Amino acid sequence: DTGVSQNPRHKITKRGQNVTFRCDPISEHNRLYWYRQTLGQGPEFLTYFQNEAQLEKSRLLSDRFSAERPKGSFSTLEIQRTEQGDSAMYLCASSPQTGRHQPQHFGDGTRLSIL
Amino acid sequence: AQKITQTQPGMFVQEKEAVTLDCTYDTSDQSYGLFWYKQPSSGEMIFLIYQGSYDEQNATEGRYSLNFQKARKSANLVISASQLGDSAMYFCAMIGGTDKLIFGTGTRLQVFP
Repeated sequence: DTGVSQNPRHKITKRGQNVTFRCDPISEHNRLYWYRQTLGQGPEFLTYFQNEAQLEKSRLLSDRFSAERPKGSFSTLEIQRTEQGDSAMYLCASSPQTGRHQPQHFGDGTRLSIL
Repeated sequence: AQKITQTQPGMFVQEKEAVTLDCTYDTSDQSYGLFWYKQPSSGEMIFLIYQGSYDEQNATEGRYSLNFQKARKSANLVISASQLGDSAMYFCAMIGGTDKLIFGTGTRLQVFP
């Protein structure tokens, strides 16, 4: 049973560039979540999918952010025209739909640094 | 609105001793879940333990137990027989009517020999 996989692990880019991150969830999990974690804080929810449907988006997710899960398997998170404030760890998690309050299993994250 | 409060920015414990990490929560949901995650310096979030709001027994998972006091809205994590490898950030989180996790600000635990 492989865990949640995120790529790349680290991304350094100049302000104004676009970046895209990928998340491969645990294969049997149909729910996929994106969170953002800044230094010294707990993760904050960004958005989540059930299969290919995006069910909820946080107000943190400005129009520069877009997430997709086209075939209900892997997901991508794109940030357009990056800003200094986008520097953070971007975490992906997945969980099965069955049962009540299933634990979310996280990947290792993608650390984004904006120069 | 849901909120998690962790008032201990840092805790120290000697190896083999027990330690309690505090967590209080606020929610208007009747059905909710409480979780603890461990985040080592490498960055991954590791699920430790879960407690449901309707569970009458306190959850236990190996050396981890959750001291759930519903009336006080607290869900403290107890780690018994601390090990050096337990040094990490610990986050309390909850889930309620929606499926998103709400996290606290975390407690940094340092275990010394």
